[in-house]
Amino acid sequence: QKEVEQNSGPLSVPEGAIASLNCTYSDRGSQSFFWYRQYSGKSPELIMFIYSNGDKEDGRFTAQLNKASQYVSLLIRDSQPSDSATYLCAVIYPGSARQLTFGSGTQLTVLP
Amino acid sequence: DVKVTQSSRYLVKRTGEKVFLECVQDMDHENMFWYRQDPGLGLRLIYFSYDVKMKEKGDIPEGYSVSREKKERFSLILESASTNQTSMYLCASSPTGNYGYTFGSGTRLTVV
Repeated sequence: QKEVEQNSGPLSVPEGAIASLNCTYSDRGSQSFFWYRQYSGKSPELIMFIYSNGDKEDGRFTAQLNKASQYVSLLIRDSQPSDSATYLCAVIYPGSARQLTFGSGTQLTVLP
Repeated sequence: DVKVTQSSRYLVKRTGEKVFLECVQDMDHENMFWYRQDPGLGLRLIYFSYDVKMKEKGDIPEGYSVSREKKERFSLILESASTNQTSMYLCASSPTGNYGYTFGSGTRLTVV
């Protein structure tokens, strides 16, 4: 069973803090991992992808991948109210023919 | 930037009507997908296509069909709309390889 697990939240952090979003996946052979941001009433938007163990930074966002522990996380530094959204983790599982399996999302609220 | 365009942002249809949802992408992507998104159920894959005239069932194909006559266009068809098909419908595309999707802006369909 292909699964991607996320805490649904809601997660609240004060403005300027670090928001930490976590995701676990079930197939150790997975190679490609993605984070999407979805504002209420809008479609998901790709913000980060990571293929290798370790950290990948892009501006205020850092994706972290630990294949041995089968988790991927997203850190948002200096969180802003505009970061308030639902964050979806997605994984391409081996043999899934390029399909993404999505988690159910974590709702983040950044409090001014 | 890749653009995925869905023909309607909001749609209201009557029970039993045949409904066509259109999706067009402009970056020559091979892969196209149709999802529906419902509160508490996340993103669920309806159908996908990796090539012209090719289609594969996703997790919830019942009550739906698709058409891909041209590479850039992927249509979702509700053969006889029912109230339980009221949902947000999202089209996505991706190139060959382990890349993330680009989503369209979504169609919020209400069946009355």
